[in-house]
Amino acid sequence: AQSVSQHNHHVILSEAASLELGCNYSYGGTVNLFWYVQYPGQHLQLLLKYFSGDPLVKGIKGFEAEFIKSKFSFNLRKPSVQWSDTAEYFCAVNNAGNMLTFGGGTRLMVKP
Amino acid sequence: DTGVSQDPRHKITKRGQNVTFRCDPISEHNRLYWYRQTLGQGPEFLTYFQNEAQLEKSRLLSDRFSAERPKGSFSTLEIQRTEQGDSAMYLCASSLNPGDGYTFGSGTRLTVV
Repeated sequence: AQSVSQHNHHVILSEAASLELGCNYSYGGTVNLFWYVQYPGQHLQLLLKYFSGDPLVKGIKGFEAEFIKSKFSFNLRKPSVQWSDTAEYFCAVNNAGNMLTFGGGTRLMVKP
Repeated sequence: DTGVSQDPRHKITKRGQNVTFRCDPISEHNRLYWYRQTLGQGPEFLTYFQNEAQLEKSRLLSDRFSAERPKGSFSTLEIQRTEQGDSAMYLCASSLNPGDGYTFGSGTRLTVV
């Protein structure tokens, strides 16, 4: 069974700092990869996704993620965070089947 | 408006009671998913429908849980004889293609007292 690991459970940054959130998955076959964000009191929203092609994908709000197949990783990055990026971030994997498997999430707090 | 509606938003019930939640997906989405999320955890898969057919169920879904999607439109999730461990956020999501990612609803927060 596939699994997803997010090693950083809590991250605290100051505004304008750079962000990188780690995500590793266990499945060895073809995968689709996603990052979701959950702002306080809101529903889960899709931030970006990778299917194939360029391993560097860009999403909304200046976020990007890089798929490194050899490392089974799909890390999320943002060069300069804002207070409004305070949220919980979830990495998810779909092995071309029907079910998304989510990581445990990383809670990001950005200090103004 | 997320496009996926869940009702109710909150439910408090006494242990042993039955509860039922409803999900209305985006109308053109033929795939519907139920997930459960507890505090500090990521969403855990419960079950999946393609149209009206329930195609996959997690081992997390004990025999006290049942889900339906009559006519391939809205779905209901029923929990019988609720236990305190059932307290969680129950999320519904829908998609047209599995590779598209899901659109989530706001969830139903269940508290069993």
